Amino acid sequence: SQQGEEDPQALSIQEGENATMNCSYKTSINNLQWYRQNSGRGLVHLILIRSNEREKHSGRLRVTLDTSKKSSSLLITASRAADTASYFCATHGDTGRRALTFGSGTRLQVQP
Amino acid sequence: DTAVSQTPKYLVTQMGNDKSIKCEQNLGHDTMYWYKQDSKKFLKIMFSYNNKELIINETVPNRFSPKSPDKAHLNLHINSLELGDSAVYFCASSLPSEHTEAFFGQGTRLTVV
Repeated sequence: SQQGEEDPQALSIQEGENATMNCSYKTSINNLQWYRQNSGRGLVHLILIRSNEREKHSGRLRVTLDTSKKSSSLLITASRAADTASYFCATHGDTGRRALTFGSGTRLQVQP
Repeated sequence: DTAVSQTPKYLVTQMGNDKSIKCEQNLGHDTMYWYKQDSKKFLKIMFSYNNKELIINETVPNRFSPKSPDKAHLNLHINSLELGDSAVYFCASSLPSEHTEAFFGQGTRLTVV
C-alpha cells in the first residue's frame, strides 16, 4: 500500500507564481525527502528534512514538516518552465528499514 | 560519469520470455535498490541489498530474482514475463545511513506484449 498521498495530483501555474504541494504519510519517520522526476527520467533528490526539523530551505525550495499531523509541504517560489516535472515525497521510517516509501506524486506544469 | 546506470533503457519482449536488467553504481555506496513504477507513477520498493546481502524483499513474485555480484552491481532477472510486469524499473543506491538521499538510475521501461 502507498505510504502517503500527495495533494494536488496535478497543478498548473504560470511562470513566476509559487507552487505548493502537500504530502501526508502514515507511519513514524526518521526523515522525509522530496524528489523530482522529469518526464522519462529518473528521480532526483531535492531536499531532506529530519523528523526533528520543522522547516528547511534550499534555494527556491521551502519544505515544512508537521509530524503531529504527519504531513509535509513543498513550496517552489518564482517557478520557471524548467520546474515542470512530477514531485514525490518519500519517507524513511524509523524501523531501520532501508528503503524509501513514496507518495503518489504531484504533476506540476509551469506555463511560460 | 553517470552515478547510477542501468541498461537497457527500453525493453520490449513477449510474454513468457526471460529478461535481465543491469545496474551499476560508481558512488561507492553499500546499499542498492530496485523500485517499480507503474503506469500511475506509483513507486514501490521491490528489493534492497546491503553489501551484496539481501535485506528487503517485498511481496514480489518468485519470477523476479535480484543478483548482486559485488556491491557496485545489482541486476534484476525476470522469468516468464507477464503482461502485468510492464512498468518502469528503477535502480537506486545510497549510503547505509537513513539520513541520506538515494541516487536513481534513468529507469528501464519494460513492455511485455
